[in-house]
Parts: sequence; C-alpha cells; structure tokens
Amino acid sequence: GAGVSQSPSNKVTEKGKDVELRCDPISGHTALYWYRQSLGQGLEFLIYFQGNSAPDKSGLPSDRFSAERTGGSVSTLTIQRTQQEDSAVYLCASKQSGDSEAFFGQGTRLTVV
Amino acid sequence: DAKTTQPNSMESNEEEPVHLPCNHSTISGTDYIHWYRQLPSQGPEYVIHGLTSNVNNRMASLAIAEDRKSSTLILHRATLRDAAVYYCILPTSGTYKYIFGTGTRLKVLA
Repeated sequence: GAGVSQSPSNKVTEKGKDVELRCDPISGHTALYWYRQSLGQGLEFLIYFQGNSAPDKSGLPSDRFSAERTGGSVSTLTIQRTQQEDSAVYLCASKQSGDSEAFFGQGTRLTVV
Repeated sequence: DAKTTQPNSMESNEEEPVHLPCNHSTISGTDYIHWYRQLPSQGPEYVIHGLTSNVNNRMASLAIAEDRKSSTLILHRATLRDAAVYYCILPTSGTYKYIFGTGTRLKVLA
C-alpha cells in the first residue's frame, strides 16, 4: 500500500470486552510505533518496535495493553477488559531504519461504552 | 530522551512568515531535531529535521542555533492550511523513539 493502514477506522465496544487494533506499516519499514491520543490531548507513546530487537513497551499504561508484530510487518495492539478511559484515537506509525521520517496512519477511534 | 519546550500557542496572519521556537537545552551531540505537525482530525505528518546546519525543504526551513540548544521552524508564507499543532522532537540517538510533547498550536488568521 501507499501508506500506513489502520483498521478498523472506528470501533465501539462495551466496557469489559477485549479489542484488537491492526496496523499495516509501509513495506520495508523496520520501525513501528503505537500512540494514543485522547480527545484534545497530545500523543501518548505506547510501544516501539525496531527490527528484531525487543520492543520498547515503556509506554503501555497497564498490563491490559499488549502489542505484537508478526514477521516484522503487521502489528496488533490488544486491549483486554476495556475501560471507558481507554476511549481515544490509537495511531500507528512506521519508518525505515536510520534517520528518516515516520509515516502515520489515520488512526483507529476507539469508544468504550 | 532530551526534553523540548515549546510555546502552547501562536497566531499568524495569512501570507506572513511564522517562526515557531523550540528549546532543547539538554540535547546531546548526536540528537537530530525533528518537526512534525498534526492537522485537525489527522495523524501527524513529517515537516523537517536536521542535526547542525540549517535545513530547507518545500514545506519549511529549520534554523538551528550554533550551540544547538534551540531551533526555529520557519514557515515562509503561512496559509490557512498550515493551522495545526507543531511538535519539536528529539528522538533518542540509536533508538529513534519519538516522544511527543504538547507542541505549539498555530492559528492562522485570514
């Protein structure tokens, strides 16, 4: 694809349910990032994958959040037992190795009711 | 990660130049300075980046102080479409981990 693709674009879920958010990065990009943006707020770093290195999970807010990246390409962010405070736009970005620009997807808007 | 400080908001008139400042006094010698912007209801997009020398591209210019403790993003002729939140970021060298601060919300007046 031409850019970073995220799916679904919108997700409404009931409190307590698990959700999976998908990110398809640009082909060949070794770095992949997940961010969360609550309404009217800045981007909150969640997790960073770089090649085959262990991911930097320092931004995950709780153990209900996890992410994996299969085959160095597609990534899935999973939120277990969703809470209302998880409602936000979840953004994914990817970039090539080295000092290059990152490309962001359009995000998944998650609403927990 | 090196910390950056930006004004919360700025205003500019359309067709006039805009200078968006960023302070990064704890920058290390190998930290690149990156700028991204986020238009309303969109994901962030890359604007420009540099290390020591001033940089120009089709979107903007980046002026880096000689001591590298501050930088300025310059939009030469602001348009209404440039209204966005502008983020100055210093990725940690070798990791390219991007931590976004609060950025500067630029308002462009017609």
